[in-house]
Amino acid sequence: EAGVTQFPSHSVIEKGQTVTLRCDPISGHDNLYWYRRVMGKEIKFLLHFVKESKQDESGMPNNRFLAERTGGTYSTLKVQPAELEDSGVYFCASSRGGRGENYGYTFGSGTRLTVV
Amino acid sequence: AQSVAQPEDQVNVAEGNPLTVKCTYSVSGNPYLFWYVQYPNRGLQFLLKYITGDNLVKGSYGFEAEFNKSQTSFHLKKPSALVSDSALYFCAVRDLVKSYQLTFGKGTKLSVIP
Repeated sequence: EAGVTQFPSHSVIEKGQTVTLRCDPISGHDNLYWYRRVMGKEIKFLLHFVKESKQDESGMPNNRFLAERTGGTYSTLKVQPAELEDSGVYFCASSRGGRGENYGYTFGSGTRLTVV
Repeated sequence: AQSVAQPEDQVNVAEGNPLTVKCTYSVSGNPYLFWYVQYPNRGLQFLLKYITGDNLVKGSYGFEAEFNKSQTSFHLKKPSALVSDSALYFCAVRDLVKSYQLTFGKGTKLSVIP
């Protein structure tokens, strides 16, 4: 089966611009997650979708971040306007069930976002 | 709240030598523990997990990890390191309340020297 696909793989934008990251989960995986790693720090949870519904967005840093999952398929994460501290690697993951230790997460390659 | 600590930012080991990447955790209740690896320009790949059972867990690419409840540790090990093992390694624990959510450590960069 195809893995989790993220694009772009890299994005360099200026402070104040808008960027949209996309994630295509594995087909049939209802659960989709976004995580972020700021340079040298932990990978941190951002949010969790079940199909098209946001189940938990407690990790979203602020209202400059907007995630959507249209029709329960692919997801987008928009940052508007981008700030310097938003730089990092954004990972998407998907799983069939919601209990990751049983069903297993599959992560994408990540999008490296650099805000200059 | 649970947490994961990876005390070493970087580990260097000679090819053919055994390697250990350290991880300690803090969680109330029984921990569900994971190791992931990120090779250059690749995504996070699952290596192994501990849910219950034997304290020694075997995973992909010849890696294993030992769960030690008294020391709250879950160190990653491999008997003989390969240059291709050079990568970034992350330890993670599943959230006890939000079962879908992982809490990661900062990561340890492993460099295997030929």
